[in-house]
Amino acid sequence: AQSVTQPDIHITVSEGASLELRCNYSYGATPYLFWYVQSPGQGLQLLLKYFSGDTLVQGIKGFEAEFKRSQSSFNLRKPSVHWSDAAEYFCAVGVTHDMRFGAGTRLTVKP
Amino acid sequence: DTGVSQDPRHKITKRGQNVTFRCDPISEHNRLYWYRQTLGQGPEFLTYFQNEAQLEKSRLLSDRFSAERPKGSFSTLEIQRTEQGDSAMYLCASSLAAAGPSYEQYFGPGTRLTVT
Repeated sequence: AQSVTQPDIHITVSEGASLELRCNYSYGATPYLFWYVQSPGQGLQLLLKYFSGDTLVQGIKGFEAEFKRSQSSFNLRKPSVHWSDAAEYFCAVGVTHDMRFGAGTRLTVKP
Repeated sequence: DTGVSQDPRHKITKRGQNVTFRCDPISEHNRLYWYRQTLGQGPEFLTYFQNEAQLEKSRLLSDRFSAERPKGSFSTLEIQRTEQGDSAMYLCASSLAAAGPSYEQYFGPGTRLTVT
């Protein structure tokens, strides 16, 4: 069965620093991979997705993610974090209707 | 297009009461999904509809949970005889099914249920 692991429960970075959030998945074939962001009291907003093709995908708000099949990973990156990026980030793997989410990584941004 | 909306945003109920939540998807979306999110966890898939047909309901948490989408537009999720363990955020999402992969789901703000 597919599953998603986000090893970091909480990450703190300084504003302007780079960011990498880790995501590892388990699935028998190439899955569809997503990163969502959730701000307090808000629903989930899609940052980016990977279906096929170029393994480096660009998303909204300056985020990018790289699919590495050999490592079963889909890590999210941002070169320079802004205070408004503080939120909960979820990696998800989806096949047809069945979307499986990781437990999330909470990002705190220090001034 | 105003996005996915959910009503109410917050619900406090006493144990044993029934509750019903409503979800209005993006108008042209034919798929609608329900998720539950507990504190510190990611969303957990419950059920989904394509138009008015409920195509997957085996992941509903118990027979106290039921969902409907009678005309293929809005949907309701009902929890009967609520328990304290039902306290969570209930999220609705919608998407447009297509011939190819189209699993981008758009989420509503959620309904936070507190069972006292």
